[in-house]
Amino acid sequence: AQTVTQSQPEMSVQEAETVTLSCTYDTSENNYYLFWYKQPPSRQMILVIRQEAYKQQNATENRFSVNFQKAAKSFSLKISDSQLGDTAMYFCAFMSHDTGTASKLTFGTGTRLQVTL
Amino acid sequence: GAVVSQHPSRVICKSGTSVKIECRSLDFQATTMFWYRQFPKKSLMLMATSNEGSKATYEQGVEKDKFLINHASLTLSTLTVTSAHPEDSSFYICSARDLAPNLNEQFFGPGTRLTVL
Repeated sequence: AQTVTQSQPEMSVQEAETVTLSCTYDTSENNYYLFWYKQPPSRQMILVIRQEAYKQQNATENRFSVNFQKAAKSFSLKISDSQLGDTAMYFCAFMSHDTGTASKLTFGTGTRLQVTL
Repeated sequence: GAVVSQHPSRVICKSGTSVKIECRSLDFQATTMFWYRQFPKKSLMLMATSNEGSKATYEQGVEKDKFLINHASLTLSTLTVTSAHPEDSSFYICSARDLAPNLNEQFFGPGTRLTVL
């Protein structure tokens, strides 16, 4: 079974600064997907960024980028130019490429990010 | 992006009654939907995978007779909490997997807050 670990329960960053959220995972599979989801106070889950394991290039989405280290099974999220609206709970998630698992997501425990003035 | 709705957004019921929560994919068809449970300040725990036209697949430790899932169409899955008790109070979130083109992405509903008195 896969496990996802987020070792930072809470983090704080000042507006306009850069912050990095950590995520490690454990799997014996070679093909899989990794995700970062954001859950603001509204509790709506929002996909921030996605990475396919077979791609060496790190995914980027505007101010959000990842550092994917497959050998180390590490998948950190970097938020640049932090904004107050980035305040939320951030979950790292793993999905097997094996369709037999019906695209189940395994979530980490989350990191609560507070962006301050 | 694809939209998933949930109804009701919040419900309060008396202990011993049953509550039905609906999850709808509004602009796409979903052969597979997922039901999660989230406790305050905790991560999402997968309860079951709902498959259109067949029985749901429950995760270990989830009582299938207590949490009834029906996926009668490609756009609707329902979760019924039978004989609810205060310990069933939680935030329930559904997600749906689009048939195409991104088979590896789940779209989340806004969640339902259940309070059992």
